[in-house]
Amino acid sequence: KAGVTQTPRYLIKTRGQQVTLSCSPISGHRSVSWYQQTPGQGLQFLFEYFSETQRNKGNFPGRFSGRQFSNSRSEMNVSTLELGDSALYLCASSHEGGPDTQYFGPGTRLTVL
Amino acid sequence: AQSVTQPDIHITVSEGASLELRCNYSYGATPYLFWYVQSPGQGLQLLLKYFSGDTLVQGIKGFEAEFKRSQSSFNLRKPSVHWSDAAEYFCAVGARNTGFQKLVFGTGTRLLVSP
Repeated sequence: KAGVTQTPRYLIKTRGQQVTLSCSPISGHRSVSWYQQTPGQGLQFLFEYFSETQRNKGNFPGRFSGRQFSNSRSEMNVSTLELGDSALYLCASSHEGGPDTQYFGPGTRLTVL
Repeated sequence: AQSVTQPDIHITVSEGASLELRCNYSYGATPYLFWYVQSPGQGLQLLLKYFSGDTLVQGIKGFEAEFKRSQSSFNLRKPSVHWSDAAEYFCAVGARNTGFQKLVFGTGTRLLVSP
């Protein structure tokens, strides 16, 4: 099976712009989670989607949003970008919603200038 | 809320020597524990996991970890380190009460392997 794929791999944006990142989970996986990784804050959970519904959310401002489509693909959107949003954004998928292994994609490196 | 502590930011090990990376967690009930490895510019690769049962779990690449409830620890070990093991290692915990998929990660330990 193909692994988790994320597009694009790299993005450069300027402050105030918005950005959309995409994640395609492993075939058959219904849960998709997003994480932000920065040198200062480490790996932090953003949100999880399961069967098109946001089931869990981390402590991020409302500028960070996401959605999941019927084929389990997910997108996350960041509006009004700030310099501090520069990070590696990782997507992870798992088969079920219970205790299950999350498989991570390679990430999208976002740089905000 | 659960938390994870990886007390060692950097560790240097000689190739062929044994390795132990420490992980302590804080959670009242039985946690779900993971070790992931990240190479530069890459995503996270699962090394091993503990959900229940045998407290000594085997993973990929010759790694193992032992869950010790009394010490709230889940240390990662490898008997003989290879140069290709140089990477950053993350311990993570999931829990029923916060949503299984909401993993809390430690700050990571960067492993350097000397010849």
